[in-house]
Amino acid sequence: AQSVTQLGSHVSVSEGALVLLRCNYSSSVPPYLFWYVQYPNQGLQLLLKYTSAATLVKGINGFEAEFKKSETSFHLTKPSAHMSDAAEYFCAVSDRQAAGNKLTFGGGTRVLVKP
Amino acid sequence: DTGVSQDPRHKITKRGQNVTFRCDPISEHNRLYWYRQTLGQGPEFLTYFQNEAQLEKSRLLSDRFSAERPKGSFSTLEIQRTEQGDSAMYLCASSLNSRGGEKLFFGSGTQLSVL
Repeated sequence: AQSVTQLGSHVSVSEGALVLLRCNYSSSVPPYLFWYVQYPNQGLQLLLKYTSAATLVKGINGFEAEFKKSETSFHLTKPSAHMSDAAEYFCAVSDRQAAGNKLTFGGGTRVLVKP
Repeated sequence: DTGVSQDPRHKITKRGQNVTFRCDPISEHNRLYWYRQTLGQGPEFLTYFQNEAQLEKSRLLSDRFSAERPKGSFSTLEIQRTEQGDSAMYLCASSLNSRGGEKLFFGSGTQLSVL
């Protein structure tokens, strides 16, 4: 069975500072990997995904993530935080070998941006 | 693209009552998913449909839960004899097809409170 661990349920960053959100997965075969963001009173939105090929993935709003197989990680970064980045971020995986494309989510990391 | 819509946004019910939620996916999306999210946790998979066929149900989905997608368009999720433990946000998502790593589009959810 797959699992996802997000280190830190809350992260506080200053505006303009680096945002780093950690995600580690457990899977016998490297899965598809995703980062979703949830703003208050809105549905989850896809930030970026890793399916194959390039291990450094660029997403929307200046975010990027790097797949590291040796570390079973898919950490999310943004060089300079903006107030609008305040939200909850979820790392998720889906099994390449299973039908259904269903997602297994981590517990989420809530980001607070300080002015 | 009008997005995934869910109705109602909020539902308050008494323990033992039945409730039904509706999800309208993005038109022409043939995959539809239901997830449940409790406070401080990531979404958990409940079930999914390929057109009108329900292809997988999670063990989380007890016999009190039933989902339908009768014409391959909108879907309903019914909970019979609600319990306080059913209190959660119920999320619906859809995707265009069944390719691995496909992006899911989420609705804003239905927040259920069981008193």
